[in-house]
Amino acid sequence: DGGITQSPKYLFRKEGQNVTLSCEQNLNHDAMYWYRQDPGQGLRLIYYSQIVNDFQKGDIAEGYSVSREKKESFPLTVTSAQKNPTAFYLCASSIGKGGTYEQYFGPGTRLTVT
Amino acid sequence: QQQVKQSPQSLIVQKGGISIINCAYENTAFDYFPWYQQFPGKGPALLIAIRPDVSEKKEGRFTISFNKSAKQFSLHIMDSQPGDSATYFCAAKAGNEKLTFGTGTRLTIIP
Repeated sequence: DGGITQSPKYLFRKEGQNVTLSCEQNLNHDAMYWYRQDPGQGLRLIYYSQIVNDFQKGDIAEGYSVSREKKESFPLTVTSAQKNPTAFYLCASSIGKGGTYEQYFGPGTRLTVT
Repeated sequence: QQQVKQSPQSLIVQKGGISIINCAYENTAFDYFPWYQQFPGKGPALLIAIRPDVSEKKEGRFTISFNKSAKQFSLHIMDSQPGDSATYFCAAKAGNEKLTFGTGTRLTIIP
């Protein structure tokens, strides 16, 4: 999984609770991303960050928050405002955001909210 | 608005056959077209990618065919093997913009 660690692999939470998903990379990549994967919908971008202390909303940022205090780490918080949080969450990184830089994906975290 | 349309949603191919997955796009600014392979419970991994200045790129049994005028590109897997069973995503990117993914094709290779 290309030097990207996501933990835990499975996560269960009660509705109304915030939950934070971990993403760490040791590839020395500048850019990091969070995607959500649902059956039949492909990968949808939640947030991305090109440098430390800077991040931008993707296509479906509502109900999510991120931080980028260290180059290696890009945690995602799924808040209680996210209406349908149960999904497979993927973290990715690339050398940079532009051009044809390959995105390397982590193994994912499957979040189930009941 | 879906910018990359992928078909079919699922595909069953006999071992040794050719698997073909198609993608179409609207945004003529797209200039990078990667294909990702994802096994169950894992993250996607880059399989092969093409830029629009070539019509075909081959890496082993995997070939991307690109038709710029039709705004279509496809993945061909020759001599398909059971180990190729996975979900495949096409994607497209314009310059420094984000990757836009297709909805995925679940490929099953049967003996």
